[in-house]
Amino acid sequence: EAGVTQFPSHSVIEKGQTVTLRCDPISGHDNLYWYRRVMGKEIKFLLHFVKESKQDESGMPNNRFLAERTGGTYSTLKVQPAELEDSGVYFCASSQQGWSIQYFGAGTRLSVL
Amino acid sequence: EDQVTQSPEALRLQEGESSSLNCSYTVSGLRGLFWYRQDPGKGPEFLFTLYSAGEEKEKERLKATLTKKESFLHITAPKPEDSATYLCAVQASTGANNLFFGTGTRLTVIP
Repeated sequence: EAGVTQFPSHSVIEKGQTVTLRCDPISGHDNLYWYRRVMGKEIKFLLHFVKESKQDESGMPNNRFLAERTGGTYSTLKVQPAELEDSGVYFCASSQQGWSIQYFGAGTRLSVL
Repeated sequence: EDQVTQSPEALRLQEGESSSLNCSYTVSGLRGLFWYRQDPGKGPEFLFTLYSAGEEKEKERLKATLTKKESFLHITAPKPEDSATYLCAVQASTGANNLFFGTGTRLTVIP
């Protein structure tokens, strides 16, 4: 069974540019989460989808971040325009139920120069 | 506010030297406590879930325990391949399903 897949694995962009990260969850998992780890800090929650609906967006830092989940399958996280402080590793996770184990992807390392 | 603190930040052990990692937490009602292992360049890999004080789970050389305020990850006779960062996370019973993570313990096992 394929795990959670994220791409790109690494993205280097300049301040002010736009970047889109993609996450393909484990097949059949209705719950999809985005997290972020900035340098030296803990992994922090960004948002939670149940199928195509946003269940919880309380961790999104500002309106430069836009997440979508088309048809309840894969999800994208767009940062527009990117700022230096957006640099970090963005993880996606999925789970069958909201309370069950979350399985993580390998992450996308975003570097904003 | 929900919070997770892990100690030590880093730990170096000789192969075969047993030790424990600590995870202290404050949460408004615990639904579950999760241990993950993370290798460089990879995502967190699930190890254990604990739900109630007194619960214990084992997997190979690892054993996780839970009290009302903390969890321990005991590593017995570690091997170099156990070297990784170990992450602790809690999920609150308040309705939100997100995980609150600690900063992790970076374990190095020397042959």
